[in-house]
Amino acid sequence: GEDVEQSLFLSVREGDSSVINCTYTDSSSTYLYWYKQEPGAGLQLLTYIFSNMDMKQDQRLTVLLNKKDKHLSLRIADTQTGDSAIYFCAESPSGGSYIPTFGRGTSLIVHP
Amino acid sequence: DAGVIQSPRHEVTEMGQEVTLRCKPISGHNSLFWYRQTMMRGLELLIYFNNNVPIDDSGMPEDRFSAKMPNASFSTLKIQPSEPRDSAVYFCASSFPGTGLDEQYFGPGTRLTVT
Repeated sequence: GEDVEQSLFLSVREGDSSVINCTYTDSSSTYLYWYKQEPGAGLQLLTYIFSNMDMKQDQRLTVLLNKKDKHLSLRIADTQTGDSAIYFCAESPSGGSYIPTFGRGTSLIVHP
Repeated sequence: DAGVIQSPRHEVTEMGQEVTLRCKPISGHNSLFWYRQTMMRGLELLIYFNNNVPIDDSGMPEDRFSAKMPNASFSTLKIQPSEPRDSAVYFCASSFPGTGLDEQYFGPGTRLTVT
């Protein structure tokens, strides 16, 4: 079955870049997502990438996709304290199912 | 739109009591999902509905858990009887699949504490 793996914690200094990594198993995924969960709130779609793309940039966010290695990363430039949250990697499985598979989430801690 | 609405936001109950969590999906969305989030297990999909019909409830942990969706704008998740290990944050999410992106819209969650 599908499986999405990501590290549980990442600590960075304010102003530095953050890189959150994710690996997945379904090679036929159509979309790969990054969701953000702020404290006390539900998950919210942050960005996504279509499987035929290698990179997507959106302001401070850069998503890189390596389909050969089934590796997805999210880079946040100039990380701010407001970026402190849990970041979930997710994939849309193959076969027409629309139920994304979520990773465990990476807690990003930004300290001054 | 107000987004996905869940109630209550917090629930504290004693072991053995019945707990009912409520969800109102975004108008026009035809898929609804119930998730449970804990530190130990992360985010678990419990059940999802499509056009008010339960499609997959394989994630429901035990018979003590049940979910209904009587109409397109309302769903409940019931735990009877509740146990301390049911303590978690329960999220409801809705989506309108078939557009390709299949973004899920999450509610704010219900934090359940069973003592």
